[in-house]
Amino acid sequence: GAGVSQSPSNKVTEKGKDVELRCDPISGHTALYWYRQSLGQGLEFLIYFQGNSAPDKSGLPSDRFSAERTGGSVSTLTIQRTQQEDSAVYLCASSLDPGGYEQYFGPGTRLTVT
Amino acid sequence: KQEVTQIPAALSVPEGENLVLNCSFTDSAIYNLQWFRQDPGKGLTSLLLIQSSQREQTSGRLNASLDKSSGRSTLYIAASQPGDSATYLCAVGGSFGNEKLTFGTGTRLTIIP
Repeated sequence: GAGVSQSPSNKVTEKGKDVELRCDPISGHTALYWYRQSLGQGLEFLIYFQGNSAPDKSGLPSDRFSAERTGGSVSTLTIQRTQQEDSAVYLCASSLDPGGYEQYFGPGTRLTVT
Repeated sequence: KQEVTQIPAALSVPEGENLVLNCSFTDSAIYNLQWFRQDPGKGLTSLLLIQSSQREQTSGRLNASLDKSSGRSTLYIAASQPGDSATYLCAVGGSFGNEKLTFGTGTRLTIIP
């Protein structure tokens, strides 16, 4: 595709429900990153994929958060038992390879937990 | 732990002026530095990427410099235009094997027509 795409663009969910956020990276990009942007915390790293494996999960805030990537392409970020503090914009980025290549960001998914 | 600071948090300048945005980071062992702009309610648009071995990069009216040893980068915008109004974020990439970006809190730039 022309750029990184994310779906849905907006998601409103009730506290305690599970949500899935999707990211389609730029075709051919092997590295994929998830970040979160919230008012109180700024923009913070969550998890990084190289191919289908995740060498760095250090930013996941709790075990309610998980992510997977299949076929070296699409990635899904799952948040279980959502809490109000999970409300944020979730951004996905991809780069041609790891190791210093430019990261290109998608438009984000705005998650609101009520 | 890498910390990235951007000062000022907000800046207003008249159209046509040249301006400089500042970014500082605490750990000089970086792989690269990337400047982004973010428009309200939108994602991030990459502006410039500087590798750790480089001193500067230019794109159109934008010029970014990097002084790794002092932990500083600047983004110079020439002949500012109202369309330049946005939040500008700098982000540093860690060493190979630690490619995640650590972001500053951004500078909100307003160009006054």
